[in-house]
Amino acid sequence: DGGITQSPKYLFRKEGQNVTLSCEQNLNHDAMYWYRQDPGQGLRLIYYSQIVNDFQKGDIAEGYSVSREKKESFPLTVTSAQKNPTAFYLCASSSRQVIDNQPQHFGDGTRLSIL
Amino acid sequence: AQSVTQLDSHVSVSEGTPVLLRCNYSSSYSPSLFWYVQHPNKGLQLLLKYTSAATLVKGINGFEAEFKKSETSFHLTKPSAHMSDAAEYFCVVSFFGSSNTGKLIFGQGTTLQVKP
Repeated sequence: DGGITQSPKYLFRKEGQNVTLSCEQNLNHDAMYWYRQDPGQGLRLIYYSQIVNDFQKGDIAEGYSVSREKKESFPLTVTSAQKNPTAFYLCASSSRQVIDNQPQHFGDGTRLSIL
Repeated sequence: AQSVTQLDSHVSVSEGTPVLLRCNYSSSYSPSLFWYVQHPNKGLQLLLKYTSAATLVKGINGFEAEFKKSETSFHLTKPSAHMSDAAEYFCVVSFFGSSNTGKLIFGQGTTLQVKP
């Protein structure tokens, strides 16, 4: 079955450490997205990519970095500059840009906590 | 500015009774609207979407939503709640033709509790 795979499911970060969250999709989607979800809040966009080797900042990109070297993969690095990284991170993909009204498909998320 | 408001942070119903989750949006453009459901520690699953073809949209698991332009609303309903419907529900808007290409606006979410 096609879908989006996020790993790991749970991740712990030490002070001053960078950590990378994996997102892989086999849906042949062009666009991929990273969201952050905090309790009682909706999702906030961190970064998105509409094509390989290109990505744009979302609303809360500070302290995060991404790469898009392959169509299937869109890893997110939470850097030590992100002072409040504890959250649930969701990766999504869609067949085209949202402007084409295609729904986004979501992975099952990674829960990041600080040690 | 574009925005979406879910009017209830928490809704509680008894099993077998109707469900109503309310959503209002604000937009200067023609919106596309979605409802997603999220079960604990899971990703979001698409319930239904409105993209201007029909104002009454039927989705999965017996849910439906009606787009009312005059009221700028897109409320989610289900005639009879099931225990498995207990989850978080998000109203989501994308704006066709806006400068926010590639971005969605999420509501704050509504937690649906279903009592036996």
